[in-house]
Amino acid sequence: DGGITQSPKYLFRKEGQNVTLSCEQNLNHDAMYWYRQDPGQGLRLIYYSQIVNDFQKGDIAEGYSVSREKKESFPLTVTSAQKNPTAFYLCASSIVARTMNTEAFFGQGTRLTVV
Amino acid sequence: DAKTTQPTSMDCAEGRAANLPCNHSTISGNEYVYWYRQIHSQGPQYIIHGLKNNETNEMASLIITEDRKSSTLILPHATLRDTAVYYCIVRPRNAGKSTFGDGTTLTVKP
Repeated sequence: DGGITQSPKYLFRKEGQNVTLSCEQNLNHDAMYWYRQDPGQGLRLIYYSQIVNDFQKGDIAEGYSVSREKKESFPLTVTSAQKNPTAFYLCASSIVARTMNTEAFFGQGTRLTVV
Repeated sequence: DAKTTQPTSMDCAEGRAANLPCNHSTISGNEYVYWYRQIHSQGPQYIIHGLKNNETNEMASLIITEDRKSSTLILPHATLRDTAVYYCIVRPRNAGKSTFGDGTTLTVKP
């Protein structure tokens, strides 16, 4: 089945360690996105990419890094510079088209806990 | 993207229609209204979108006022599985990234 897969579902890391969250899609979508969600709040955009080898910062990019070497993959690294990394991380993808609807398809999320 | 305002929470009786309002008074001419919902600890799910005409699909109906400054998402026969956070977003149709507010927590009660 086509879809967007995030792994793992739960992740624990020690403070000061970098950690990389995986996001893979087989929907042939050009655009991919990373959002962060804190308890009781909406989603905030971290980074997004509309084409391979290119990406842009979202609203809260500090302390995060991404790469887009393949169309199917958009991994997010949470670095030790991120002050409050514990959160629910959501990856999404969509088509890129000037005249078409571009609703986003979301993965099931990775819950990161830093201790 | 235009800012939206939604009530923090709403209750609905099972089997009744759930009407979720959204204000977007600063919406611009090329911005569409999108609705997503998020069931606890899952990724958001697209529901419906519209520009100015009312829209209906298998999940819901979207009613947009004539001046486009507000809209209402209608779940015609709410079930317990419709309990979720509902997000109203306005953005250009071809702009994939979205700004999510805090949404409305809908609780469907037996």
